This record gives sequence, structure tokens and C-alpha cells, in this order.
Amino acid sequence: SQQGEEDPQALSIQEGENATMNCSYKTSINNLQWYRQNSGRGLVHLILIRSNEREKHSGRLRVTLDTSKKSSSLLITASRAADTASYFCATGGGGNEKLTFGTGTRLTIIP
Amino acid sequence: DGGITQSPKYLFRKEGQNVTLSCEQNLNHDAMYWYRQDPGQGLRLIYYSQIVNDFQKGDIAEGYSVSREKKESFPLTVTSAQKNPTAFYLCASSGIFNRGPLNQPQHFGDGTRLSIL
Repeated sequence: SQQGEEDPQALSIQEGENATMNCSYKTSINNLQWYRQNSGRGLVHLILIRSNEREKHSGRLRVTLDTSKKSSSLLITASRAADTASYFCATGGGGNEKLTFGTGTRLTIIP
Repeated sequence: DGGITQSPKYLFRKEGQNVTLSCEQNLNHDAMYWYRQDPGQGLRLIYYSQIVNDFQKGDIAEGYSVSREKKESFPLTVTSAQKNPTAFYLCASSGIFNRGPLNQPQHFGDGTRLSIL
């Protein structure tokens, strides 16, 4: 089952602009993670935010989490051509619950 | 460098044939996973294993089988019972604690693309 749903499904922006993508989920979580997938490759873990955190930064990435709205956003600032990829959110429940991945946002950076 | 190696990168299956996808990791992780990814879709969990000689079905286990005889290896067999096997298969691993939480960040291999002849 897929709990996370990313929005938009696809996004094209000019290089240098900021890219924002959103993730909504249905049930309570322990943490939420964002991954990047380049075409034909595996996923790469970007950042994890715990349920008691509201915002987290890593380089040009900024993630927010609103547990009351069951949603998260990923902001990539000053985008580069190399940021072109699909981005997935994954929700982690407590205990022995497995990660559940969303359907992804396909980001294209136009040089 | 530590990581996950999947092989082969491309695989073709004939009707009625079983094929085995290899996944090896040297990250000393206890948990390993197999996912299926169809075009434009997210990941669906096939099987996972938290410890050697133990594994559990995921959401779409029918037509697949796995083994976990060594910590480093988690091969996936796509059997002839899987009627729609064409997909991109991803192996992942996480954690260093026996039966630790499954919600930790996962490390992925670069996948095997399986097609039908």
C-alpha cells in the first residue's frame, strides 16, 4: 500500500529557481523521509525528519513537516541541472512498521 | 566503498522460466528489502528480511521467492507464477541492529530491469 502522495506529479522549472514539492499521508508517523531517484538508478536517501520536528535543512534542501495536516514539503533552492530526478517521500511508522513510499514527483530543471 | 550491488542490470525471461536476481551488500546491515517499481509509479514491497534465515512477505509477494542464508546476500527469484514480471526491481538495506525498527533510512542498489522475451 502507498501512503504518501506527492504533488505535483511533474514539475519543470528554470535553472536557478526554487523547486517545491509536497507529500501528504494518511496515518500517524514516526518519521518522514525524502529520496531522490535519477533515471534508471536506485533511490538515494536525502533527509529524514522526525514527527516531533517541524523543519530541517541539509545544504540546499529544506524539509517541513506539519503533522496536524499530515503533510510535508521539500524545497530545493537555487536548482541545478543535476537536480533533475524523481523525488519520493517515504513515511515510517513506529515499532516494526515498514517504510511506505509515495508515487513521486518528477522534477526537470531546464538549463 | 560500502554499498549494495545488484546483478544483472538487465535480465530477460522466457515463458515458464524462473529467474534469480542477485543482491549483495557490504554495509553490515541486518535488514534487506526487495521492491518492484513500475513505470511512473512508486515502490511496492515484495519481501523483506530482518535477520539471516528469516524473511517476511511484503505487499505483493505472490509469484516471488527469496532466501537469506547469509547476512550479505538476499536473492530474489521471479517464478513462472508471476504473470506480469516486467518491471524495475530494487534491492535495499537498512539498520545494524537485529530486528531493529524498519523505519530507518534505506540504501538502494541500482536495480535490475526484467523484461519478457
